[in-house]
Amino acid sequence: GDSVTQMEGPVTLSEEAFLTINCTYTATGYPSLFWYVQYPGEGLQLLLKATKADDKGSNKGFEATYRKETTSFHLEKGSVQVSDSAVYFCALTRGSNYKLTFGKGTLLTVNP
Amino acid sequence: DTEVTQTPKHLVMGMTNKKSLKCEQHMGHRAMYWYKQKAKKPPELMFVYSYEKLSINESVPSRFSPECPNSSLLNLHLHALQPEDSALYLCASSQPLRGITEAFFGQGTRLTVV
Repeated sequence: GDSVTQMEGPVTLSEEAFLTINCTYTATGYPSLFWYVQYPGEGLQLLLKATKADDKGSNKGFEATYRKETTSFHLEKGSVQVSDSAVYFCALTRGSNYKLTFGKGTLLTVNP
Repeated sequence: DTEVTQTPKHLVMGMTNKKSLKCEQHMGHRAMYWYKQKAKKPPELMFVYSYEKLSINESVPSRFSPECPNSSLLNLHLHALQPEDSALYLCASSQPLRGITEAFFGQGTRLTVV
């Protein structure tokens, strides 16, 4: 079945540091890939997406590139802020399959 | 407007109570979902409605009863819950286009069963 593996953390960084959260997936066919962010006490927000190989999703300074050859979708940001502290989930879905398959989530804490 | 609204935000209920969670979206999405999320875990899918018909039930206990009165509304009726059912309940919606099923989530209802 489909699966998503992401670094579990927690990840602790200082403000303005570079962020990478690794995500790899296992799925047949051509999944769509997503990063969701969950701030404390809130629901999930779609951060960015990519629907085909070599697509780059970007939003709010975050980027991730769909790499089919390495089945990866790593999240990066060049300079994190305290306000980026949250849990980040990598996820995938396939075709018209309604089910989102999530990674276990990565807790990011950014210190001033 | 990419918004899914859930009410209430917090709910405390006894094991003999009956309560309902409500979810509303006005994005014209035709698929709506209920997820359950325990602390420090990813969301777990419970139910999917597609075009107002239940299309997926992930073997959820019958004490959880979903309802989709129309394409904008989704309810989750709760009865005789157990303390282990305490969790964050998330509603989501999507437009089931082939190949892209990005889901938009509400803020959740924090449920405590006492």
